Amino acid sequence: NAGVTQTPKFQVLKTGQSMTLQCAQDMNHNSMYWYRQDPGMGLRLIYYSASEGTTDKGEVPNGYNVSRLNKREFSLRLESAAPSQTSVYFCASSDGTGVNEQFFGPGTRLTVL
Amino acid sequence: AQRVTQPEKLLSVFKGAPVELKCNYSYSGSPELFWYVQYSRQRLQLLLRHISRESIKGFTADLNKGETSFHLKKPFAQEEDSAMYYCALLTNSGYALNFGKGTSLLVTP
Repeated sequence: NAGVTQTPKFQVLKTGQSMTLQCAQDMNHNSMYWYRQDPGMGLRLIYYSASEGTTDKGEVPNGYNVSRLNKREFSLRLESAAPSQTSVYFCASSDGTGVNEQFFGPGTRLTVL
Repeated sequence: AQRVTQPEKLLSVFKGAPVELKCNYSYSGSPELFWYVQYSRQRLQLLLRHISRESIKGFTADLNKGETSFHLKKPFAQEEDSAMYYCALLTNSGYALNFGKGTSLLVTP
C-alpha cells in the first residue's frame, strides 16, 4: 500500500497563477485533510472532508478551494496564487473521526514568486 | 478557544538524559490530545494519544487537567529521538486537529 500520495512534490508559481494539488489514499479512509506547514507556525488546517461528498473549512481556508472527487481523492486548488501561499502542503487521511490516527502524505513544497 | 501551546521551539539534551517536551492546551470539556513526530526526511506520524495510555518508543504523556498540560516525557533520550514533535488537540468538529507550533528535539552524543 502506498498510503497517502501527493503530486506534485515541488512547484514554483508566479503570482496570480492557478494550480491544483492532488492527493489520493488507498486505505479506504473516510476522512481527508489539507494542512499547510510554515516555519514557526506548525501545521494549520486548510480544509477537511469528513466523508465523501462533504467538505468543511479549517483554520486558514482563504485563497483555497477543495474537491472531494471520490472516496480516494481530495484536491486543493489555488485559484490565484499569492506569495503568502508559499508553504509546504500536507494531505492526510483517517478512518472515521479525528480521534483516530491521521496518516500523512510526503508533502508538496510550493513557492509563489 | 481550542488552542495548543508548545513553549519551546528547540530543546537540546545529551544522550541518556531525561527529556520533557511541554504542551499546554486550552479547551472546554474533555480534550482529546495527541503527539505527532516528524523525523528527518520522513512523514509526519502519530507517536501517541492520551486515550490509549500507551508508551511508544519509551515516550509517555499524561493528561493533567488541572494544569491543562499534556507533556511528553522519556527517561533516557536516544540520538534517534531527534525530530520535530507536535502536540495536537482534537477540536469540537470531531475531525479537525489544532497543532502546536512544534518543538525540535536534538539529542547529542
